[in-house]
Amino acid sequence: ETGVTQSPTHLIKTRGQQVTLRCSSQSGHNTVSWYQQALGQGPQFIFQYYREEENGRGNFPPRFSGLQFPNYSSELNVNALELDDSALYLCASRLAGTYNEQFFGPGTRLTVL
Amino acid sequence: DAKTTQPTSMDCAEGRAANLPCNHSTISGNEYVYWYRQIHSQGPQYIIHGLKNNETNEMASLIITEDRKSSTLILPHATLRDTAVYYCIVRVGAAGNKLTFGGGTRVLVKP
Repeated sequence: ETGVTQSPTHLIKTRGQQVTLRCSSQSGHNTVSWYQQALGQGPQFIFQYYREEENGRGNFPPRFSGLQFPNYSSELNVNALELDDSALYLCASRLAGTYNEQFFGPGTRLTVL
Repeated sequence: DAKTTQPTSMDCAEGRAANLPCNHSTISGNEYVYWYRQIHSQGPQYIIHGLKNNETNEMASLIITEDRKSSTLILPHATLRDTAVYYCIVRVGAAGNKLTFGGGTRVLVKP
């Protein structure tokens, strides 16, 4: 177990809707990142948060946004869902400024119909 | 971050060593080699990382060539539970969280 949890496990939405995915990081981990993994592909970096501010972003549009809270939890919000947003969404946490490994959660499987 | 090249898939016999190659010919001097694996339906799991010296931990060994353009992950005694996709990633060690995953190597450990 990595100590990183995500909810919900699975989610079904329809095109155009909005979704919020949640992640609870390991205690003390002040950075969190989110990844999107389409079926059969490796995870793709969405963005990262450090001390509640976004400080790095991959090639994803602004309708992907996030929040990080002082209690080591975070959210990924996706607006105006598209069919291609169907994927496994992973969060990962670590202690910033170290070479330590990132700890990944089990992911949320999002299906957009 | 430098790109990596890995074989798409490989089989390994249970109890034997599994040697997973990775090519990273454009690696920079300050970039580390990280290995993660992803067992079906789970999040990626960190295995090991190194800069230029060989590294060993309870899970695996990492052998990096002297010119650092390639590396090999060694699982010394593969078990059925080692069946997974293995990702070789090159990145600057402490700079942010971004991991650039390629396609990885799908390893199937057979009895």
